[in-house]
Amino acid sequence: GAVVSQHPSWVICKSGTSVKIECRSLDFQATTMFWYRQFPKQSLMLMATSNEGSKATYEQGVEKDKFLINHASLTLSTLTVTSAHPEDSSFYICSATRQNSPLHFGNGTRLTVT
Amino acid sequence: GDSVTQMEGPVTLSEEAFLTINCTYTATGYPSLFWYVQYPGEGLQLLLKATKADDKGSNKGFEATYRKETTSFHLEKGSVQVSDSAVYFCALSETGGGNKLTFGTGTQLKVEL
Repeated sequence: GAVVSQHPSWVICKSGTSVKIECRSLDFQATTMFWYRQFPKQSLMLMATSNEGSKATYEQGVEKDKFLINHASLTLSTLTVTSAHPEDSSFYICSATRQNSPLHFGNGTRLTVT
Repeated sequence: GDSVTQMEGPVTLSEEAFLTINCTYTATGYPSLFWYVQYPGEGLQLLLKATKADDKGSNKGFEATYRKETTSFHLEKGSVQVSDSAVYFCALSETGGGNKLTFGTGTQLKVEL
């Protein structure tokens, strides 16, 4: 069964609103979570690395103020897309791991901004 | 920077056909290489990996060999099944643990009866 749960799997929101995506590790404590974004027919692009209890490390070109990442506990990380615009429409995927353990991926969240 | 290039899909095969999905990479160091698979409605799962040159990763009848001289990690399977229909992602990691990954674009495989 799934060890990483991502919610929601699909969301539509209006331009200018904010959307929160949750990533939960179900049966292990994830010291690190990663957030990816995937455009159609393109690679998964790493957005940020999130360590529990500390600020996320964002990849170059990713707007920190737009994509707010919180990793408040060892089982939950959230990605909030603030003031969403149509160009933010994409497929967002999280993954979780603990030290020396395999990486587990969530099923992804399809965000559509109208 | 690091990058991974894999063949575009979709790839459509008949059951029991031979599969090859090409993957080449560029990296500054000596990366570990991975193939991930995403079945419909599910998250990415690690299919196989290789951590150094000439290593062969294998799982579920799939295999790939780490070729440093051609910077390639092509995925092969001798006889595909309908249940192999999925999207396959080639990836690399410069860190040994394989947690910070650079992905290819993914190749969709469709296997028909």
